[in-house]
Amino acid sequence: EAGVTQSPTHLIKTRGQQATLRCSPISGHTSVYWYQQALGLGLQFLLWYDEGEERNRGNFPPRFSGRQFPNYSSELNVNALELEDSALYLCASKYRGDNEQFFGPGTRLTVL
Amino acid sequence: GENVEQHPSTLSVQEGDSAVIKCTYSDSASNYFPWYKQELGKRPQLIIDIRSNVGEKKDQRIAVTLNKTAKHFSLHITETQPEDSAVYFCAASPFGNEKLTFGTGTRLTIIP
Repeated sequence: EAGVTQSPTHLIKTRGQQATLRCSPISGHTSVYWYQQALGLGLQFLLWYDEGEERNRGNFPPRFSGRQFPNYSSELNVNALELEDSALYLCASKYRGDNEQFFGPGTRLTVL
Repeated sequence: GENVEQHPSTLSVQEGDSAVIKCTYSDSASNYFPWYKQELGKRPQLIIDIRSNVGEKKDQRIAVTLNKTAKHFSLHITETQPEDSAVYFCAASPFGNEKLTFGTGTRLTIIP
């Protein structure tokens, strides 16, 4: 069984630009979660998508947004990038009815 | 919202000894408590989890205990080995919310 995949592995942007991060869940998983892991901090919940709908979002500004496609893959968009957006962005997927979230390898976003 | 505190932030243990990591949570509605292990440069992986209707769960050298009254749960690793060196995160989630709130992590180092 293939795991959760994310692309790109690394992304370098300058302040004010936009970043798009992608996630493909494990086959059969309908829920996708996005987390931000900044250096020295734990994982901060960003967004949860299920069946194409945004179900919950964390305490992040509206410039963090995303969507889930009919094939359950997901995209995270960060607009008007700020230096403090530099972090590892982790995607996780889950099968409905289960508890365990399976994480992808992450996208390292660096904002210069 | 939920707040999860984790202690200690770093822990060094002689190989073969036991390690204990403690977490407290604030939301009495939380009923799912997973523990994730994140090795350097790798994705977080679930190592054990517990639901609120259970007080203790064990899987080989790893155990988790939960005290719902005091709102705290702990990870116990016995007979530690070098491969146990990693960052460990606790998390909590209320039923039906599916948003995981993570602690800030514990860097565990096993000294050979």
